[in-house]
Amino acid sequence: EAGVAQSPRYKIIEKRQSVAFWCNPISGHATLYWYQQILGQGPKLLIQFQNNGVVDDSQLPKDRFSAERLKGVDSTLKIQPAKLEDSAVYLCASSFHAKGPNTGELFFGEGSRLTVL
Amino acid sequence: GDSVTQMEGPVTLSEEAFLTINCTYTATGYPSLFWYVQYPGEGLQLLLKATKADDKGSNKGFEATYRKETTSFHLEKGSVQVSDSAVYFCALSDNNDMRFGAGTRLTVKP
Repeated sequence: EAGVAQSPRYKIIEKRQSVAFWCNPISGHATLYWYQQILGQGPKLLIQFQNNGVVDDSQLPKDRFSAERLKGVDSTLKIQPAKLEDSAVYLCASSFHAKGPNTGELFFGEGSRLTVL
Repeated sequence: GDSVTQMEGPVTLSEEAFLTINCTYTATGYPSLFWYVQYPGEGLQLLLKATKADDKGSNKGFEATYRKETTSFHLEKGSVQVSDSAVYFCALSDNNDMRFGAGTRLTVKP
């Protein structure tokens, strides 16, 4: 079974530029998550989708971050314009349980490492 | 809000040593508790979980017991191997929100 796919694995940009990350979850997983992991910290949830609807985006900096999951399958996370403090690994995860991860398991991709100069 | 605190690392042990990584949580409800592991160059993967008080999660020789009275979920292994070198994350989930601790890096030397 294919795992969660993410691309690109690495990206280096200048501040104020834009960047987009792509995620394809495990087939059949209704719920998709984007996490931000800053070096030395645990992952922080940015946004959670159930199918193509947003369940939780309370911690997404909406002035510069956006995410979509138009067809309820793959998803794109965009940052525009980027700031130095956006340097982090952006993790995508998916889970089968439509109601969230309370008893289920999250499956993570390998992450996209962003460096903002 | 709900949160997880885990012991700071890094932790360095010799092979076959006993491992404990402490994790405590704060939650208003009754969360499920998890340990995730991240091996070098790989994504996070679930190591074990417990969904209610007094449950014990176990996998690959690792164990953790959900202790409601002490709000803890400490990770233990009786004899670590070099292949256990990784970053370990304690996490809790309540109301569709998975929250992670800062992670503890474990290095096991032969």
